[in-house]
Amino acid sequence: DVKVTQSSRYLVKRTGEKVFLECVQDMDHENMFWYRQDPGLGLRLIYFSYDVKMKEKGDIPEGYSVSREKKERFSLILESASTNQTSMYLCASSLSGVETQYFGPGTRLLVL
Amino acid sequence: GEDVEQSLFLSVREGDSSVINCTYTDSSSTYLYWYKQEPGAGLQLLTYIFSNMDMKQDQRLTVLLNKKDKHLSLRIADTQTGDSAIYFCAETTNTGGFKTIFGAGTRLFVKA
Repeated sequence: DVKVTQSSRYLVKRTGEKVFLECVQDMDHENMFWYRQDPGLGLRLIYFSYDVKMKEKGDIPEGYSVSREKKERFSLILESASTNQTSMYLCASSLSGVETQYFGPGTRLLVL
Repeated sequence: GEDVEQSLFLSVREGDSSVINCTYTDSSSTYLYWYKQEPGAGLQLLTYIFSNMDMKQDQRLTVLLNKKDKHLSLRIADTQTGDSAIYFCAETTNTGGFKTIFGAGTRLFVKA
C-alpha cells in the first residue's frame, strides 16, 4: 500500500512566523505535490517536484517555497505566514507515466 | 447531474506517448472535446469527436471514445516539452438544453 504521511494534522501559527509542512512517501514515486484546499475553490496546485532538487510552480506559488532534498520527502515552506494562508494543505505523490496520485491526510493550518 | 472527471496530473518523458483519460456521465452527449491551455493563455480547441465515432486521429493526436463505458482518452504520440499544458475534456449535452460541461483539467508535464 502506498503511504503518504504529513508531519502534522493541525497547526496554529502566528502571522509572520516561518512554517514548515513536511510530506513523506514510501513508494519511490518521482512526483510529489503540494495543494491547498479551500471551500468553493477545490484543490489548487502550489508547487510540484518531478525529481530530487527539481521543482515547478503550480497555479498559486506566491508566498510559498518548497524543498526536495531526498526523493521521499517534499517540504512546503511559508516564509512569513499570513492569515490568507489559513487552509487545508494536501500532499500527494505519483509515479511518472501514471495519472493516479496518492494523497496524505492533510494538514489544517490556522494562521492567527 | 452531468459530470466530467479527469485525473489531476500526468508526467511523461520527452518522446514517450501520453494518454490522458476522461469519464463523463451523460449518455446524451453529442460532441466530446479536448482543449489545451498553456500557461497564461486561454483554452485552445485541440480536437473533437462526434459521439457516434470510436476514434479520430489527427497527426500526433488520437482520440478514443468508448461510449458504453463513457470513457474518452487523448493519446499524444512522441510527446514534446511544448506539449506541457493543462488538458481539458468537455462534452456537449442535450440534457435540459444544450450545454458544454468541462472537466477540471489534467496537467501534463513533459520531462526533457
